[in-house]
Amino acid sequence: GESVGLHLPTLSVQEGDNSIINCAYSNSASDYFIWYKQESGKGPQFIIDIRSNMDKRQGQRVTVLLNKTVKHLSLQIAATQPGDSAVYFCAENLNAGNNRKLIWGLGTSLAVNP
Amino acid sequence: NAGVMQNPRHLVRRRGQEARLRCSPMKGHSHVYWYRQLPEEGLKFMVYLQKENIIDESGMPKERFSAEFPKEGPSILRIQQVVRGDSAAYFCASSRGGSSEQYFGPGTRLTVT
Repeated sequence: GESVGLHLPTLSVQEGDNSIINCAYSNSASDYFIWYKQESGKGPQFIIDIRSNMDKRQGQRVTVLLNKTVKHLSLQIAATQPGDSAVYFCAENLNAGNNRKLIWGLGTSLAVNP
Repeated sequence: NAGVMQNPRHLVRRRGQEARLRCSPMKGHSHVYWYRQLPEEGLKFMVYLQKENIIDESGMPKERFSAEFPKEGPSILRIQQVVRGDSAAYFCASSRGGSSEQYFGPGTRLTVT
């Protein structure tokens, strides 16, 4: 299953399928991007990050792709499991001097059907 | 190594009262960030502090809100004369100096009645 940026905030997939969550970021000067997972009632949990000098990074079952030309970021989750159900946020880190605040996207809710 | 601690986890205040939210960063972290989250929305940056210094408060409302991170003790986010619109989840994150990875606490859910 695949979501399209902020216009489809809910993504429903079958257990075992691959999930793709998309994000459009806003600032060309952002040099660092992070995906967070947030389960209901909890704080955001770091999943994977990527710096602007890379276009792909892989973790355990997750891959982040960065397309700086169109300011687009995606998170791919392989073999999605029920425990992956959560809201996923992309965040961009605007390096303005020593200030490393995060600017967050709206989020995509991922529902995994058993 | 304990993670980022926030307390209280839930806070109920009547309109006009003061709310104090506390955040203890991870051991070894000297940078603290506060974010606010409304239901079904992303986090909105409020303020970034280092020990005894406010680095960026561009996300803080001009009135009623203040934050500090003293030399000793937790970081405090203070909201004076709360209004219903202040009801939200407030998250604190910490990082090591110079590192971008931020670790988040469990949040404080403020309800103003």
